[in-house]
Amino acid sequence: DTGVSQDPRHKITKRGQNVTFRCDPISEHNRLYWYRQTLGQGPEFLTYFQNEAQLEKSRLLSDRFSAERPKGSFSTLEIQRTEQGDSAMYLCASSSDFPEAFFGQGTRLTVV
Amino acid sequence: AQTVTQSQPEMSVQEAETVTLSCTYDTSESDYYLFWYKQPPSRQMILVIRQEAYKQQNATENRFSVNFQKAAKSFSLKISDSQLGDAAMYFCAYRTLFNNNDMRFGAGTRLTVKP
Repeated sequence: DTGVSQDPRHKITKRGQNVTFRCDPISEHNRLYWYRQTLGQGPEFLTYFQNEAQLEKSRLLSDRFSAERPKGSFSTLEIQRTEQGDSAMYLCASSSDFPEAFFGQGTRLTVV
Repeated sequence: AQTVTQSQPEMSVQEAETVTLSCTYDTSESDYYLFWYKQPPSRQMILVIRQEAYKQQNATENRFSVNFQKAAKSFSLKISDSQLGDAAMYFCAYRTLFNNNDMRFGAGTRLTVKP
C-alpha cells in the first residue's frame, strides 16, 4: 500500500495524559499536513511541513501540541495534557507538486 | 480570509438518478484551485475532482462533473447515475495558487443514496 498511513487508528486516553500519533506520507511527497476534524465539520488546518521544516502552524495548535518531521519522512503529532476538547479525528495528508493533498485514514482520539 | 460554504448539510438521491451538491466560496484572489473530496463512513478522504480557476472548461471525471462559475464564486458537483457506493460525506475545498498550506474546507454534505 503506497498511500498515507496513520497510526493508531483509534486512541482512547484519560484527560491529562499525553498522546502521540504517527503519519507516514506517500514516499515521494515532500509536503505533509495535519488537520483536525470534529463531528459534522470539515477538516481544519493545524500545521504544515515541507521536508523537515515546519513552515506554518495554525492558531488552533496550542502550546500543548507539537509536531515533528525528522529527516523529512514520517511525522508525529503529540498532544500533552489532553483535554476533552481535544477529542476529534486527526488527519494527515501529503502532497508533491500537484495541488491536491492525499489523506490518510485518520486517528480518532477520544479523551475521557 | 477565504471561506468555503456548503449550504446543504444532507442530500438524498435515488440510485441511478442525478444529484447536485452546492458550494460557494469567498476569495479576493484570481488564481486558485477548487476540489471536491469524498469521505465514506470510517474511510479515508479521497479526491473526486479538481478545478483550476484559470480554466474556463468545467472538469469532468466519469460520472462526476462540476459547474464552476467564477464570477459567482460557485462550484457545484454533479453526480450522474448515482450508485450506492457514492454514499459519503462530500467536502468542497479551496486552495490558493501560491500557498501550499492553505486548503480550506466546507462543513460537508452528507449524501444518501436510496436503492
